[in-house]
Amino acid sequence: GENVEQHPSTLSVQEGDSAVIKCTYSDSASNYFPWYKQELGKGPQLIIDIRSNVGEKKDQRIAVTLNKTAKHFSLHITETQPEDSAVYFCAASRVQAGTALIFGKGTTLSVSS
Amino acid sequence: KAGVTQTPRYLIKTRGQQVTLSCSPISGHRSVSWYQQTPGQGLQFLFEYFSETQRNKGNFPGRFSGRQFSNSRSEMNVSTLELGDSALYLCASSLGTHSGANVLTFGAGSRLTVL
Repeated sequence: GENVEQHPSTLSVQEGDSAVIKCTYSDSASNYFPWYKQELGKGPQLIIDIRSNVGEKKDQRIAVTLNKTAKHFSLHITETQPEDSAVYFCAASRVQAGTALIFGKGTTLSVSS
Repeated sequence: KAGVTQTPRYLIKTRGQQVTLSCSPISGHRSVSWYQQTPGQGLQFLFEYFSETQRNKGNFPGRFSGRQFSNSRSEMNVSTLELGDSALYLCASSLGTHSGANVLTFGAGSRLTVL
């Protein structure tokens, strides 16, 4: 079945540095790739998503890139702030599969000031 | 606008019991999905309900079931609880239409502990 691998599992950066989280997926038919941020005691929150017909999408300090040929996508956070500290999850799915997202195992990002 | 509301937030059960969790989606959202989150397996899809019908199902045993009401509120039930069912159960709502089908908004979850 579909599998999503996420790296690294933990990431520590200094405030102001950039952070990059990478994911690979196995199902070449996947065409929707969201990223979620989960803070302690809360549910995952969608921060950005990309569909397979675009290679890059940016929203302020956050960007996602997609390489369909290599079947990997990445989250880039620039100018990190302490409030960016959280667990980040990537996911993949086919639009036709509706809400059945396949999630990576998560990356714990720590931003120290 | 109100988010996704899940109740109860925390509960403790013993093996063999059953549990029912409730989810109220965002107003206007017709799809409700349920996910199980554990440290070992991560986030796993349980099932999705749309217009009171189960539209999709993950790879979980029949002890896990759900339903959706005409107002889009949903419940999930786990019968004959096992220790391994201890998890955070997350509900997510979405528009349910093709273009927005998989854009999910999650609730804070119900933390189930099975003793």
